[in-house]
Amino acid sequence: GQNIDQPTEMTATEGAIVQINCTYQTSGFNGLFWYQQHAGEAPTFLSYNVLDGLEEKGRFSSFLSRSKGYSYLLLKELQMKDSASYLCAVVNSNYQLIWGAGTKLIIKP
Amino acid sequence: GAVVSQHPSWVICKSGTSVKIECRSLDFQATTMFWYRQFPKQSLMLMATSNEGSKATYEQGVEKDKFLINHASLTLSTLTVTSAHPEDSSFYICSAIAGLEVSEQYFGPGTRLTVT
Repeated sequence: GQNIDQPTEMTATEGAIVQINCTYQTSGFNGLFWYQQHAGEAPTFLSYNVLDGLEEKGRFSSFLSRSKGYSYLLLKELQMKDSASYLCAVVNSNYQLIWGAGTKLIIKP
Repeated sequence: GAVVSQHPSWVICKSGTSVKIECRSLDFQATTMFWYRQFPKQSLMLMATSNEGSKATYEQGVEKDKFLINHASLTLSTLTVTSAHPEDSSFYICSAIAGLEVSEQYFGPGTRLTVT
């Protein structure tokens, strides 16, 4: 089967750094997405990794290791507005998106 | 950037009635649109893939006679929930591909359906 694993919930403090991990097992690999989703809203795009390594985009960075089936999303200088669910999704060999259940991130003052 | 709209943004209907949800790509042509459903505290679940001018491809476990999908043009796909029941209450989200790559996927804002 195909599955994506992420922690269900994480808590962090405003101004701190948090790393959200995602491990995957899929039939083939054609890239990995990270999306942010606030309650009651559609997901918004954060990053897309298809090659190994770290990609930085402002306060958010995403890392991929294809050999380990592993990715993480790193959020720096946390703000209260970063409280949301973070979804990891993998594109498999059939170009289908396989979604993780999401990680609910709670930011405390 | 590419914009996808959905209408209505929320709808309340009585059990047994049908509800139509529209998904439009506003500034690009979408050869493929996806329909997702999301229950509270769960991730998105793909319901079907809709290609313009052809029948939709439904995921396993999704009743095609209950969830009617019509992709009549390159900018419009509709999802009709027929004979809705309270268990169909959910957040329905569409997305569209601008090119040929699923990496160019843009999401609509979602439609909250409540069946009473």
